[in-house]
Amino acid sequence: DAGVIQSPRHEVTEMGQEVTLRCKPISGHDYLFWYRQTMMRGLELLIYFNNNVPIDDSGMPEDRFSAKMPNASFSTLKIQPSEPRDSAVYFCASSLPQVGIAEAFFGQGTRLTVV
Amino acid sequence: GDSVTQMEGPVTLSEEAFLTINCTYTATGYPSLFWYVQYPGEGLQLLLKATKADDKGSNKGFEATYRKETTSFHLEKGSVQVSDSAVYFCALHAGGTSYGKLTFGQGTILTVHP
Repeated sequence: DAGVIQSPRHEVTEMGQEVTLRCKPISGHDYLFWYRQTMMRGLELLIYFNNNVPIDDSGMPEDRFSAKMPNASFSTLKIQPSEPRDSAVYFCASSLPQVGIAEAFFGQGTRLTVV
Repeated sequence: GDSVTQMEGPVTLSEEAFLTINCTYTATGYPSLFWYVQYPGEGLQLLLKATKADDKGSNKGFEATYRKETTSFHLEKGSVQVSDSAVYFCALHAGGTSYGKLTFGQGTILTVHP
């Protein structure tokens, strides 16, 4: 398996624009996580899904952020409108806790810069 | 709720020095415990894990023992290398109502000088 695949790797956008980050989890994994990493706040869990259903979105910072998982092999994180304080590295991860001990596999991240 | 607390960083060591990064946790039940490592420009990857009390996880010369009595999972390495420079995250999976969710500590930056 190619692992968790995120796109794009880098995104630079202007304030006010819509940004969409994409994630393809490892095939067969039924949990998918979106994290945000900044120097100031460290690693934050934004939202996670089980079998395509959002389980906990309490980490989503505000209504400008939304996440979807239309099927088992694809998820998006959308920011609309984007603001400079959204600049961060966004990670997607997936896991299959039922057959292991909840080890999460991370993508390489999307570095978002909002200018 | 579940939480993980790591020692404050950054940690700076000379090559071949002994490393300890402290990690303590709060969780209901019997969590599984993990150490993840993040090299510059990359995502997190699992370094080692332990599923029950007194288990010792080990990998690449790193070790950590699951201590239920002190709710700790400290990371150790006897002789660090420059290539060990990275950010290290302690994490737990508590199960129960949070089944599937990993809770991470804030990360500890390690820099090893030649």
